[in-house]
Amino acid sequence: AQTVTQSQPEMSVQEAETVTLSCTYDTSESDYYLFWYKQPPSRQMILVIRQEAYKQQNATENRFSVNFQKAAKSFSLKISDSQLGDAAMYFCAYRKDSNYQLIWGAGTKLIIKP
Amino acid sequence: GAGVSQSPSNKVTEKGKDVELRCDPISGHTALYWYRQSLGQGLEFLIYFQGNSAPDKSGLPSDRFSAERTGGSVSTLTIQRTQQEDSAVYLCASSSTSGRRTDTQYFGPGTRLTVL
Repeated sequence: AQTVTQSQPEMSVQEAETVTLSCTYDTSESDYYLFWYKQPPSRQMILVIRQEAYKQQNATENRFSVNFQKAAKSFSLKISDSQLGDAAMYFCAYRKDSNYQLIWGAGTKLIIKP
Repeated sequence: GAGVSQSPSNKVTEKGKDVELRCDPISGHTALYWYRQSLGQGLEFLIYFQGNSAPDKSGLPSDRFSAERTGGSVSTLTIQRTQQEDSAVYLCASSSTSGRRTDTQYFGPGTRLTVL
């Protein structure tokens, strides 16, 4: 069975600095998708970035980028120039190509220090 | 356009009562999902609807849980004889899956259920 592990329950970073959130996963599939979602106190889960496993190039969305290491089954999220509005729970999720179910990590709480 | 909406935002009920949670997906999205998020945990898949196909109910934790989707749009999650362990945030998501499995799920704000 696929699993997703986020080993950092909480991270803090100074405003304007860079922070990296870790995610590892376990799968025997070769084709799958990985996601980072952000959940602010409003509870709404917001997609931050998505990576297709068949793409070697790391996905980037403005200040957010990933370091996708397929062989190591690692999918970390880097947030550059951290802003106060980035404070939230961040969840890593996995979906295999032949299914629609998302498998979720337990989340990392990101605190931004002004 | 409008996102996924859910109602009520918060629901407090007494143990043993039935509750109904509503989800209105993004217009045109054929796929709809329900998840449960317990305090301090990730999301747990409950049920999946895709068009007119039979739903995937494999994630429903017990027969007290049921869901329906009327007219391929609005969905209602019903919990009968609620228990304290049912207390959680119930999140709904939709996607425009139309044979493509790469479509992203968009989430509503959730319903926080508290069972006293």
